[in-house]
Amino acid sequence: DVKVTQSSRYLVKRTGEKVFLECVQDMDHENMFWYRQDPGLGLRLIYFSYDVKMKEKGDIPEGYSVSREKKERFSLILESASTNQTSMYLCASSFTSGRLSSTDTQYFGPGTRLTVL
Amino acid sequence: GENVEQHPSTLSVQEGDSAVIKCTYSDSASNYFPWYKQELGKRPQLIIDIRSNVGEKKDQRIAVTLNKTAKHFSLHITETQPEDSAVYFCAARPVGDYKLSFGAGTTVTVRA
Repeated sequence: DVKVTQSSRYLVKRTGEKVFLECVQDMDHENMFWYRQDPGLGLRLIYFSYDVKMKEKGDIPEGYSVSREKKERFSLILESASTNQTSMYLCASSFTSGRLSSTDTQYFGPGTRLTVL
Repeated sequence: GENVEQHPSTLSVQEGDSAVIKCTYSDSASNYFPWYKQELGKRPQLIIDIRSNVGEKKDQRIAVTLNKTAKHFSLHITETQPEDSAVYFCAARPVGDYKLSFGAGTTVTVRA
């Protein structure tokens, strides 16, 4: 059974703080993703990583950075939190059978609801 | 990049009736189309997916159809039950890409 865990379910931070969100998967998946979920906007991709130390920008990377030092762990960093980053953050991971594979299932973590005051 | 539009944004159905959610995509190179269900307070989970070499796929009460020419795909839920109440997301991915592009979601409410 695939397990994707996130470090916190709820987090409250102040404007300007540096925030770390951690995601760990136990299925040896190559790909890991960070999404932001807001009502009416669906799931928007912030960053993703297809291998250790590799990262690519998603659709809304501004204000965020990521780190992937180990295959099982993918961190999202808010360098200086702002109120417009208040949201639900979802991590996901997937296995790719080949680099050009067109099919894989993304498994999601439980989410972190971040509030920036 | 890929752009996915999903309609309707909300859907209320009587228990036992059918529900249909439609999505359109922009990139003709997309060939993988999953559907995710997110119950209140829970994580999204894959419920069904379809690949571009198939026109329809069924799994018990849910089915997905794909029209590659028109670039749209739909989720059909028959004999709806209260446990079908959730937010449903469609997604699309071009071949060779790692990223899924998600629709905005449809909140389905099944009335008893």
